[in-house]
Amino acid sequence: EVVMTQSPATLSVSPGEGVTLSCRASQSVSSNLAWYQQKPGQAPRLLIYGASTRATGIPARFSGSGSGTEFTLTISSLQSEDFAVYYCHQYNRWPLTFGGGTKVELK
Amino acid sequence: EVQLGESGGGLEQPGRSLRLSCTASGFTFGDYAMSWVRQAPGKGLEWVAFIRSKTYGGAIQYAASVKGRFTVSRDDSKSIVYLQMNSLKAEDTAVYYCCRGGGYHVIDYWGQGNLVTVSA
Repeated sequence: EVVMTQSPATLSVSPGEGVTLSCRASQSVSSNLAWYQQKPGQAPRLLIYGASTRATGIPARFSGSGSGTEFTLTISSLQSEDFAVYYCHQYNRWPLTFGGGTKVELK
Repeated sequence: EVQLGESGGGLEQPGRSLRLSCTASGFTFGDYAMSWVRQAPGKGLEWVAFIRSKTYGGAIQYAASVKGRFTVSRDDSKSIVYLQMNSLKAEDTAVYYCCRGGGYHVIDYWGQGNLVTVSA
């Protein structure tokens, strides 16, 4: 099983700041890596797939990079609606696996 | 607009069974694989099951935690995917999401989720 490790577990930030979230895979997942945003009481929403491609309707302030085992999600200037939990997900090997999540909270 | 609607959850006792259904609309159902992902209260996301469309071979995959107890199936004529859950355990308590995609096609749409509670 590919273990996905996200860091940090929590990020405390102010609106307007930029943030970088990290995700590490225990073995290479090529570029088959996605990022999701989840707000309380809601289903996750796809932000990034293929490690760096924004999903339909996702603002340009969200960007993804990396390949193999190291990935990052960057939010260039945090808006109020961006406070949420972010999950990375590998879809390269069975079983599909998710990271434990990074909570981005208001400082 | 892609829509996924789950039904069939609720409270059930350990050892009993439940069947979840997910009705899809807004896309050609038979062209897409479907997955189930669950989230225990206050926890992260756990992939549960995957089924490819019959057009593309109908392959099925399960997480180790549910293999042998859960069965995923689909009816492409009705655009419905099912998750039959047998021998339920307390640790199966979670919100279950129906999702479009899985495998080499990223999971791109999620249903609203359906709570399953397993308790005596």
